[in-house]
Amino acid sequence: SQKIEQNSEALNIQEGKTATLTCNYTNYSPAYLQWYRQDPGRGPVFLLLIRENEKEKRKERLKVTFDTTLKQSLFHITASQPADSATYLCALDIDTDKLIFGTGTRLQVFP
Amino acid sequence: DAMVIQNPRYQVTQFGKPVTLSCSQTLNHNVMYWYQQKSSQAPKLLFHYYDKDFNNEADTPDNFQSRRPNTSFCFLDIRSPGLGDAAMYLCATSARGAGSGEQFFGPGTRLTVL
Repeated sequence: SQKIEQNSEALNIQEGKTATLTCNYTNYSPAYLQWYRQDPGRGPVFLLLIRENEKEKRKERLKVTFDTTLKQSLFHITASQPADSATYLCALDIDTDKLIFGTGTRLQVFP
Repeated sequence: DAMVIQNPRYQVTQFGKPVTLSCSQTLNHNVMYWYQQKSSQAPKLLFHYYDKDFNNEADTPDNFQSRRPNTSFCFLDIRSPGLGDAAMYLCATSARGAGSGEQFFGPGTRLTVL
């Protein structure tokens, strides 16, 4: 079955540093991979999508890479701020209209 | 603003007492989803609709049913809630054919089973 792993239960970094989150998957070849942000008690919010033929995608302070050989995506937040503190979920498309989500990495940015 | 709305935000029910959760959308998306999310876990897809076509996940318990009477509304019925069904229930939508597969989530309904 498809399996998605996201690094560590929590990532604590200092404000201004770059946060790097990892998403590894097995047993699947997705056409694209998505990243979502989820705040406590709220639904996930879409951030970025990267397709299998794309190596890197940027949006403001966010950068996503996608290595289909390693079956890994890295999600970077540069110049991190306390407001970036949240859980970040990666998701793979596994069928038409269907995504499978990882458990997420909780990011805490300290002033 | 176009959005996905879930009611109620918090629902308390008793063990075995049927409960219905509601979702509506103003995005006019053709796909609607119901997910179950427990603490520190990934959202787990229960079922989804493409228009009126219903797609049930193989491991979704029979205790969970859904209705989509029209494009805008979708309901999750839990026929006999057990303690293990306490969770956040998330409704989401997407537009098949839009290319991105992006899903738009509602704020969720937190279900407590006493």
